[in-house]
Amino acid sequence: GENVEQHPSTLSVQEGDSAVIKCTYSDSASNYFPWYKQELGKGPQLIIDIRSNVGEKKDQRIAVTLNKTAKHFSLHITETQPEDSAVYFCAARPFPSNTGKLIFGQGTTLQVKP
Amino acid sequence: GAGVSQSPSNKVTEKGKDVELRCDPISGHTALYWYRQRLGQGLEFLIYFQGNSAPDKSGLPSDRFSAERTGESVSTLTIQRTQQEDSAVYLCASSSQVLGTGFFGPGTRLTVL
Repeated sequence: GENVEQHPSTLSVQEGDSAVIKCTYSDSASNYFPWYKQELGKGPQLIIDIRSNVGEKKDQRIAVTLNKTAKHFSLHITETQPEDSAVYFCAARPFPSNTGKLIFGQGTTLQVKP
Repeated sequence: GAGVSQSPSNKVTEKGKDVELRCDPISGHTALYWYRQRLGQGLEFLIYFQGNSAPDKSGLPSDRFSAERTGESVSTLTIQRTQQEDSAVYLCASSSQVLGTGFFGPGTRLTVL
């Protein structure tokens, strides 16, 4: 079955710096890759996603890149702010999938120091 | 409602007791998911509902776990004879399409003593 590995497990950056979180997946047929942000005591919130027919997607300070050949995808946050501090999860949807089930990485705790 | 709601927010129980966790999805969302999140871990898929049927139960860890959904709305996850390893946050998500984006609820934190 699909397996998703996420690195690093913790990341500390200074406010204004960039942060990069990387994930690799095992099933080359996976076709959808969302990223979630989870704040303390809350459920995960979708922040950006990418489909397998696209190599890069950007939304303001957040971007995601996908390398299908290498089976990895990355989250890039530029100009980090203290409110970006949270746990970030990547996920992959295996194909074929008629259930929408997602396989999640282990999470990255991002700390942005003011 | 405005989002996915779950109750209770916290549940402490003794080993061997049964517990019921409730999920109220966003109105009109036909797809509903349950995930489990152990401390410091990622989310593990448990079960998927489309309407009131569950075509994918592959993530339920044992026969002590069961779930149902009624009226294409509320879902209940039941854990019988709870064990300490069941301690986790149980998250529910719903979406308007099977392959659409899921909106997560805040979760129920279950502690088994």
